[in-house]
Parts: sequence; C-alpha cells; structure tokens
Amino acid sequence: DGGITQSPKYLFRKEGQNVTLSCEQNLNHDAMYWYRQDPGQGLRLIYYSQIVNDFQKGDIAEGYSVSREKKESFPLTVTSAQKNPTAFYLCASSISPPGVGQYFGPGTRLTVT
Amino acid sequence: SQQGEEDPQALSIQEGENATMNCSYKTSINNLQWYRQNSGRGLVHLILIRSNEREKHSGRLRVTLDTSKKSSSLLITASRAADTASYFCATDSKTSYDKVIFGPGTSLSVIP
Repeated sequence: DGGITQSPKYLFRKEGQNVTLSCEQNLNHDAMYWYRQDPGQGLRLIYYSQIVNDFQKGDIAEGYSVSREKKESFPLTVTSAQKNPTAFYLCASSISPPGVGQYFGPGTRLTVT
Repeated sequence: SQQGEEDPQALSIQEGENATMNCSYKTSINNLQWYRQNSGRGLVHLILIRSNEREKHSGRLRVTLDTSKKSSSLLITASRAADTASYFCATDSKTSYDKVIFGPGTSLSVIP
C-alpha cells in the first residue's frame, strides 16, 4: 500500500527535552511538508522540502529543525527552544511543488508538560 | 496574513440538506484546493480548481471560483452524517508557488 505514515500517534515529553517526530512516505513524492495545527485552527507551515538534502523554513520555523537525507523521510525535531510545542503535527507530501494535491499522514499529537 | 479564510466558522445542518462553505483569499492564485479533516486525523484532498476554471464537480461536491471576487465556495449536496468534518481551503500564490496556505476551516456537523 502506498501512503504516508507518522509515528508515534501520541507523544508525551517533559519540558526542556528535544523530541523527533517521524514522517515516511512511499509515494515517490519529491516534496514534503510539516504543519502544526492548534485546536480549532488551520494549518501553519513549519518547514518544507522540495528535494533531498534541501529544505526551506515555513511561517513558524523557530524552535524546529528538519533533515531530508532520503527522499522517503522527513523527520521533524521539536527543540527545547520552541516556546509552546504542545500541538497536533501533520506531515504531507506531494508529487512536486507547489504542493498541489498533498497527501497527509495521520498526525502526531505532542503533549509537553 | 492568511491567504485563505473560510466562512462560516461552524455550520450545523440536518442530514439531506445542502451545505455551503465559502473561502476568501487575498492575492492572485494559480490553484485553490479544498480538503477535509475528520476529528484527530490527517487531511484528505477533495478537489482542486485552477484559476482559469469557474466550476468543478466531483460526486456530491461542487466547487466554484470567482477570481474577480477572490472567493470560492464548496457545496456538499444531500449531506450525510459521515460528512461531519472540518473543511479547509488551501491556496497557492503566483508569487510563492512552492507552498500552499490553509485557511482556519469550517466545522460542519450533519445531524442524523
């Protein structure tokens, strides 16, 4: 089955710890995206990558980091510098920019206490 | 500032009725898309309409685009309880074509 997966579904961390969220796709898509969603709100773009070994900051990149060493994988690290990290994180991919017809993963709900 | 913004924020209808959601945006676009999100899940792409198109259909979905008013509408006909979800519009930009911007969404409740 082709698709995009995120793990884990729920993640709990103590304040001050870095945490890495996984995103893997087997759709052979070039572009991948990370979004943050807060309750009752839309999606805000954190980082995106159009090709392996390249990525760009989105609208709210501060306190986050990413890597794109493989086409299939685009992990997101939430660092201790992120002031309000508790949120629902969504990963997406698309065949190519500009993100037309993105496929989304099921999301990871991160709770930091 | 947000490129797309949906209206209304929340909508509650009876099963069988039609549901209409609107999206307004600010700058010229190449494409406008509508997505659906069930509670606690990822988004699912519903339909894309290009800037040179005025109307598009997919099953019970009808999308219109008015570039002069910078607005789009999503109509769901003969709604079902399973249509209960949040609906988002997403727009790209002629000046920032490599990403899309999502609006805050419309929360639709279809009452059986």
